[in-house]
Amino acid sequence: DVKVTQSSRYLVKRTGEKVFLECVQDMDHENMFWYRQDPGLGLRLIYFSYDVKMKEKGDIPEGYSVSREKKERFSLILESASTNQTSMYLCASSLPGTNTGELFFGEGSRLTVL
Amino acid sequence: RKEVEQDPGPFNVPEGATVAFNCTYSNSASQSFFWYRQDCRKEPKLLMSVYSSGNEDGRFTAQLNRASQYISLLIRDSKLSDSATYLCVVIVSGSARQLTFGSGTQLTVLP
Repeated sequence: DVKVTQSSRYLVKRTGEKVFLECVQDMDHENMFWYRQDPGLGLRLIYFSYDVKMKEKGDIPEGYSVSREKKERFSLILESASTNQTSMYLCASSLPGTNTGELFFGEGSRLTVL
Repeated sequence: RKEVEQDPGPFNVPEGATVAFNCTYSNSASQSFFWYRQDCRKEPKLLMSVYSSGNEDGRFTAQLNRASQYISLLIRDSKLSDSATYLCVVIVSGSARQLTFGSGTQLTVLP
């Protein structure tokens, strides 16, 4: 079974703090994703990576950066957390392929910024 | 207009009922379609793909109507365990980057 592990299930941070969210997958997937999920807005893509050191901005990249130094690990960084970044963050991975619709998600990291 | 729209519900149905959800998409170039299921406080998981000719998986039937630009999910003989949020997913082009999620329809099956 594919396993996508997010390091922290719940975090509480203060405005202006730097926040690291870590994600590790064990199935050698090329694609990795970071989404945030908010009520009524669904899942919105923050960043996408299709290979080590390769990344693409998603729909809402402002205020975020990512790092993919190893194939299995994709990190999301909030350089200076703000209250509007309070959300559920979901990491996912998938095989490459033109119409691969199957993403494997981690359990999510619920971030609260005070 | 959102790229992918779903009725948020909630849909409250008795056990054994048949329930259907629709999901409309705005981009006629959309190529691939999927339904995901998300249990409360859990991550989304793929439920089924949606094929042009329609497809069935046990009590679940998915259909695509390209002319009207919507997909549907029909659940027959609802079980308590079907209670979840159902997300539709659309891929516009061949890139995984182009995967767009609807905001979900909440279903509660009542005893």
